[in-house]
Amino acid sequence: DAKTTQPPSMDCAEGRAANLPCNHSTISGNEYVYWYRQIHSQGPQYIIHGLKNNETNEMASLIITEDRKSSTLILPHATLRDTAVYYCIVTTSGTYKYIFGTGTRLKVLA
Amino acid sequence: DADVTQTPRNRITKTGKRIMLECSQTKGHDRMYWYRQDPGLGLRLIYYSFDVKDINKGEISDGYSVSRQAQAKFSLSLESAIPNQTALYFCATSDPTTGGETQYFGPGTRLLVL
Repeated sequence: DAKTTQPPSMDCAEGRAANLPCNHSTISGNEYVYWYRQIHSQGPQYIIHGLKNNETNEMASLIITEDRKSSTLILPHATLRDTAVYYCIVTTSGTYKYIFGTGTRLKVLA
Repeated sequence: DADVTQTPRNRITKTGKRIMLECSQTKGHDRMYWYRQDPGLGLRLIYYSFDVKDINKGEISDGYSVSRQAQAKFSLSLESAIPNQTALYFCATSDPTTGGETQYFGPGTRLLVL
């Protein structure tokens, strides 16, 4: 299973875009990139996932590089409620394996 | 996610006691999971179940047992609780699809073992 590397912390001004990077240089062709976030000690919340193409939903956008070795989660207009720990996870379709690292602690500043 | 519920939400127990944490889901998913989270760390998998008759050990199963009573219910037991089992415990469900396997997490149970 591919491992991921994320910066331990980031700050973002409220209303600005938050860009959270993730490196997954050993990702294989059938592995998806997933993003979750955890607000305080609540259960992790699904944000978005993708395989090769960029993806967008009501919460965020996911940009995956062409070689798939890295990705960026974009929160287009960060709010104080987006303050959380963000986890990037690489997993194979149909498998149970989610390997959580320590994530990126995003702090949105007023 | 309200579709995955956990009881109790908080529990204090003493060393040596047996306790059970319960998880219920209304998502209709076959796959269910139990994770624990220690302060400042990510989640680690304790047990997982792909259906009622299929239960498997995860990364850190020692000291824990599980029961899958029905598709919708998955319980985690600590046979004899010890202080280093103090942690946050999360239940999750998933439904494998060709487009990945999104897991949906419950609100968690905070367990303190004295």
